[in-house]
Amino acid sequence: DGGITQSPKYLFRKEGQNVTLSCEQNLNHDAMYWYRQDPGQGLRLIYYSQIVNDFQKGDIAEGYSVSREKKESFPLTVTSAQKNPTAFYLCASKSQDAAHEQFFGPGTRLTVL
Amino acid sequence: QKEVEQDPGPLSVPEGAIVSLNCTYSNSAFQYFMWYRQYSRKGPELLMYTYSSGNKEDGRFTAQVDKSSKYISLFIRDSQPSDSATYLCAMNTGFQKLVFGTGTRLLVSP
Repeated sequence: DGGITQSPKYLFRKEGQNVTLSCEQNLNHDAMYWYRQDPGQGLRLIYYSQIVNDFQKGDIAEGYSVSREKKESFPLTVTSAQKNPTAFYLCASKSQDAAHEQFFGPGTRLTVL
Repeated sequence: QKEVEQDPGPLSVPEGAIVSLNCTYSNSAFQYFMWYRQYSRKGPELLMYTYSSGNKEDGRFTAQVDKSSKYISLFIRDSQPSDSATYLCAMNTGFQKLVFGTGTRLLVSP
């Protein structure tokens, strides 16, 4: 089955630690995205990548980093510089031929203790 | 002012009711309009999309876009308890990033 996987589903982190969230897709999509979802704020774009080895900052990139070494993979690192990292993180991908449709993964719930 | 405004709800209706969900936006350049459904603790899934103005129907769901008023709607007929979810509107100018509303939580009671 084609789709997007995110792991882990739940993640707990101590303050001051970096943590990496995994996102893998087998849809052969060129573009991939990371969003953060907080109650009452909808989805906010963190980073996106339209092609391997290239990525751009979204609206709230501070305290996050990404890499895009393979077409299938777009990991997100939440660094200790992110002041309020507790949130639901969603990864999405899109074909370059589609103007609109993004496919989402199941999400990772990150909690900072 | 946010680019896309959406009432967070919750909107509570009895089973069988007609549901109307709405978003307003400020950017007149938006051309593609989408509705995503998100169940609790899951990723959003695309429900419907519309290009430019007009209506689009898919089963019990109808999407409407009124570009002159910068207003989009999603209607759900014969609502079911399984429709209980958060509905997110999203839009963009074409191949640019999507701009999402905050989502409206819908509760359909049996």
